[in-house]
Amino acid sequence: KAGVTQTPRYLIKTRGQQVTLSCSPISGHRSVSWYQQTPGQGLQFLFEYFSETQRNKGNFPGRFSGRQFSNSRSEMNVSTLELGDSALYLCASSLDEGERPQHFGDGTRLSIL
Amino acid sequence: SQKIEQNSEALNIQEGKTATLTCNYTNYSPAYLQWYRQDPGRGPVFLLLIRENEKEKRKERLKVTFDTTLKQSLFHITASQPADSATYLCALKAAGNKLTFGGGTRVLVKP
Repeated sequence: KAGVTQTPRYLIKTRGQQVTLSCSPISGHRSVSWYQQTPGQGLQFLFEYFSETQRNKGNFPGRFSGRQFSNSRSEMNVSTLELGDSALYLCASSLDEGERPQHFGDGTRLSIL
Repeated sequence: SQKIEQNSEALNIQEGKTATLTCNYTNYSPAYLQWYRQDPGRGPVFLLLIRENEKEKRKERLKVTFDTTLKQSLFHITASQPADSATYLCALKAAGNKLTFGGGTRVLVKP
């Protein structure tokens, strides 16, 4: 079974630009969550989707948005990029919303110049 | 405010010894707690889940305890090996809430 796939693996952008990151969950998984990981703040929850509906949202500004498609694939978008958005963005999928383990991809490393 | 604390200092341990990691939390009533392992440049990998009504869980050389009175979970790696060197993260989920991660503890097992 293929794991969680995130694309691209690396991305360099400049301030003010916008970016879209993609996540393909494990086949059959309907829940997708996004996290931001930085050395100073650790893993911070961004949002969680289940069956195309946002179930939970973290404490991030409105520049961060996401969506989930009918095939459970998910995208997150960050607009008006700031230097502080440089981070590893991780996507995780699970079978459903219950007490299931999260299966993480290896992330997208976003660098803002 | 809600807080999850793991020892931010790296844990250096000799091969064959038991590594014990701590996860403390405040202002949480977690439904369950999970432990993950993360290697550099990779996403976290799920290891164990323990529910609020369980005291202890084991998986091969790993053991997790959960004390809701002390608001603490302990994670043990017995007979540690250099391949166990990684960062270990605890994560808590309260009913209806998001899964929240601690800052992680780096473990270095020396041969």
